[in-house]
Amino acid sequence: DIQMTQSPSSLSTSEGDRVTITCRASQSISNFLNWYQQKPGKPPKLLIYATSTLQSGVPSRFSGSGSGTEFTLTISSLHPEDFATYFCQQSFKTPRTFGQGTKVEIK
Amino acid sequence: QVQLQESGPGLVKPSETLSLTCAVSGVSISNYFWSWIRQSPGEGLEWIGYISHSESAKYNPSLWSRLTISVDTSKSQFYLKLTSVTAADTAVYYCARHNYDKAFDVWGQGTMVTVSS
Repeated sequence: DIQMTQSPSSLSTSEGDRVTITCRASQSISNFLNWYQQKPGKPPKLLIYATSTLQSGVPSRFSGSGSGTEFTLTISSLHPEDFATYFCQQSFKTPRTFGQGTKVEIK
Repeated sequence: QVQLQESGPGLVKPSETLSLTCAVSGVSISNYFWSWIRQSPGEGLEWIGYISHSESAKYNPSLWSRLTISVDTSKSQFYLKLTSVTAADTAVYYCARHNYDKAFDVWGQGTMVTVSS
């Protein structure tokens, strides 16, 4: 299986801050990397697919980059509704695998 | 709009079979692939498997010996059956649609399944 490792596992930050989350794959996954946001009691919501394509309706303050084994999700200026847990996921091979999540909390 | 709705028993006894249904509305089930994904309390996300309208299925090797995913296009539903469950199968179970880039772009609300006697 392809292991997906996110860092950090959690971060405390403030509204308006720039946030960067890293996701590393245990082998090359080309650009088959997706990002999700999850809030308590809700299903994950697709933010970005194929490394850098913004899902319809997702604000432009979210962006993604990377290739091969290293990827980043950036939130350019944190809004109150962005405090949540973020997961990366590879769709290069089955079994599809997810990172362990990064919880973005209010400082 | 596209909606997915999971249904099934919330409590299953150890060693018994967990059976869930995902009802798809707002889109033809024949045009996409469909997955089951679960999330244990406080844990991460685990992909269970997917199926297409033609019943081409792929399973997570960690579950394949206990798992069956099937589809009924006439009812616009797909199904999960997991046999010989244990407490480790306690989780929120989600159904989800794959977009054409293989990301999960539409999710059901999830259904909590507890394995306990």
